[in-house]
Amino acid sequence: RKEVEQDPGPFNVPEGATVAFNCTYSNSASQSFFWYRQDCRKEPKLLMSVYSSGNEDGRFTAQLNRASQYISLLIRDSKLSDSATYLCVVNMIDVWDFNKFYFGSGTKLNVKP
Amino acid sequence: GAGVSQSPSNKVTEKGKDVELRCDPISGHTALYWYRQSLGQGLEFLIYFQGNSAPDKSGLPSDRFSAERTGGSVSTLTIQRTQQEDSAVYLCASSLILGGQPQHFGDGTRLSIL
Repeated sequence: RKEVEQDPGPFNVPEGATVAFNCTYSNSASQSFFWYRQDCRKEPKLLMSVYSSGNEDGRFTAQLNRASQYISLLIRDSKLSDSATYLCVVNMIDVWDFNKFYFGSGTKLNVKP
Repeated sequence: GAGVSQSPSNKVTEKGKDVELRCDPISGHTALYWYRQSLGQGLEFLIYFQGNSAPDKSGLPSDRFSAERTGGSVSTLTIQRTQQEDSAVYLCASSLILGGQPQHFGDGTRLSIL
């Protein structure tokens, strides 16, 4: 079983739509959570961190549900420029005190005019 | 520039050859990470450095892979006796402290094994 699982999509939505992605993680000891964005053939870039209380950055809202072990990303009023692959990232420190970073395989979003 | 620099950007080599990939992190970043991204796949975490130390090598795919970092700066990822399944984009990232965000990624090295 993968440490982090995402629906690969693609999600095809019209401009202005609201779209939500979920990501599940398998290890309850996971500590930090993030969403990264990756444009085609480009490097990943941090979109936002995910906090237990939920957090919002403009049109983007991230939520964490520790009980069910999933995080979500909501994008409101989609723009063409939001078209990208969204990567869920989980960071944990294991029993040997080693940092582990797990990236999901990404959810592809296509925003259409 | 001030970003993470990786070289070469592209590498094509024959199966069985050794390759060395280089990463020059952002100055002052103590943490450095290596990832691998295969076609249509997510990022596979390989190894991290805190300073010059890589305490956990369990993410390296096989003993043909090794990595080092010197002077708390440049890191090299070496793949010996390359195999076709090693073909991927190898991404390096750095952050100010271990686990700190964001991780700043380089453009990657696209490795193709013939």
